[in-house]
Amino acid sequence: ETGVTQTPRHLVMGMTNKKSLKCEQHLGHNAMYWYKQSAKKPLELMFVYSLEERVENNSVPSRFSPECPNSSHLFLHLHTLQPEDSALYLCASSQDRSELDEQFFGPGTRLTVL
Amino acid sequence: AQSVTQPDIHITVSEGASLELRCNYSYGATPYLFWYVQSPGQGLQLLLKYFSGDTLVQGIKGFEAEFKRSQSSFNLRKPSVHWSDAAEYFCAVGAGFGNEKLTFGTGTRLTIIP
Repeated sequence: ETGVTQTPRHLVMGMTNKKSLKCEQHLGHNAMYWYKQSAKKPLELMFVYSLEERVENNSVPSRFSPECPNSSHLFLHLHTLQPEDSALYLCASSQDRSELDEQFFGPGTRLTVL
Repeated sequence: AQSVTQPDIHITVSEGASLELRCNYSYGATPYLFWYVQSPGQGLQLLLKYFSGDTLVQGIKGFEAEFKRSQSSFNLRKPSVHWSDAAEYFCAVGAGFGNEKLTFGTGTRLTIIP
């Protein structure tokens, strides 16, 4: 595997379910990101991790819970989601926490909340 | 806070024709500017970026962009498009000063017709 991978690629869940999205980067990067991409809206930065420490949380509801057990893996735990949370969730990584560093994106997880 | 506007939601171009995608930004200082491309079912890929220096920036896949401070613009161009260029294109601005947060536009979908 190379680059940034995300699993699953598609997920359908009910509002009472608990699920997790997984992201893995094989680039030796120190920073990882979760973005939400909704139709007709700009990409929204959700969380930033640097060296496994959360450094930014952009007022994301608590039903989204990130976890970064090591610098290569990032999870997004989901519980009691709402239909408006349906979107494409993108993971990205960069060498360090700087806009000078290119962010490499995974293919995303298409989430549908029923 | 910085913002990005991509005025064109959808553009259709004939294969072999030239292309220009518009991007306008709002930021008080010199911004860091990016263009990303997202092919169907894929994550975002960096095409090019501007930090300083020469205002005409060359990127991958034959794309270029020009930073015009007087117009607050960073338009993306390609002299001759290929069918494989059909994708969604996102302009983004970074605040700099070690701030990793990128603000994205809503994207322009490019369709190529034979």
